[in-house]
Amino acid sequence: EAQVTQNPRYLITVTGKKLTVTCSQNMNHEYMSWYRQDPGLGLRQIYYSMNVEVTDKGDVPEGYKVSRKEKRNFPLILESPSPNQTSLYFCASSSGQGYYEQYFGPGTRLTVT
Amino acid sequence: GQNIDQPTEMTATEGAIVQINCTYQTSGFNGLFWYQQHAGEAPTFLSYNVLDGLEEKGRFSSFLSRSKGYSYLLLKELQMKDSASYLCADSGGYQKVTFGIGTKLQVIP
Repeated sequence: EAQVTQNPRYLITVTGKKLTVTCSQNMNHEYMSWYRQDPGLGLRQIYYSMNVEVTDKGDVPEGYKVSRKEKRNFPLILESPSPNQTSLYFCASSSGQGYYEQYFGPGTRLTVT
Repeated sequence: GQNIDQPTEMTATEGAIVQINCTYQTSGFNGLFWYQQHAGEAPTFLSYNVLDGLEEKGRFSSFLSRSKGYSYLLLKELQMKDSASYLCADSGGYQKVTFGIGTKLQVIP
C-alpha cells in the first residue's frame, strides 16, 4: 500500500530535550516536505527536500533541522524544543514540487511543556 | 497562506449544494489545489486546476479563473461525511505550494 508514515503519532516532551520525528514514504517520491498546522494559521511549510541531500527552508524553519540521506526518509529534528513548537506536524511527499498532489502522513501531535 | 483568502466556516444541509470560494494573488501563479481534511486526520488531495474552467469529479467540482485570481470548490448532494475542512492551496513562484487557512464545513441533517 502506498503510504507516508510518521513516528511517533503523539509526543509530550519538555523544553530543551532533543527529539526526532521520523517520516518515511514507499512511493519512490523525490519531493518531501514538513508542515506544521496551528489553529487560525493553517498549514505552514517548515522545510522541504527535492531529492537526496537537497533540502531547503520553507516559511517557518527556525528551531528545526532536517536531513535527507535516503530517498524514502526525511526526519524532522528539534534540537531544543520550546513551547511555541507545540503543534500538529505533517510530513508529505510527491512526485515533484508544485504541480503534483502531495500525499500526507497521519500527523504527529507534539506538546512541549 | 498569507496570499490566499477563503471563508473560515460554512454550514450547509445534507443533500444540498455548497460552494467554497478561494481567492489568491495572481502574481507567479501556476495552479490551484483543493484538499479535504477531516478533523484530526491528514489532508487528502481533491483536485488541481491549471486552466480556466470547471473540472468535475463525481460530486465534487472545482473552478478556476486565472485572470480574476479566483477558484471555488462545489460539493453536490452533500453527505454528513463531507463535514471537514477544505484547504485551498496555490502553486506559485518556484513551484512553491502555499496553503490557505481552510474552510470548515459543517453538514447538518
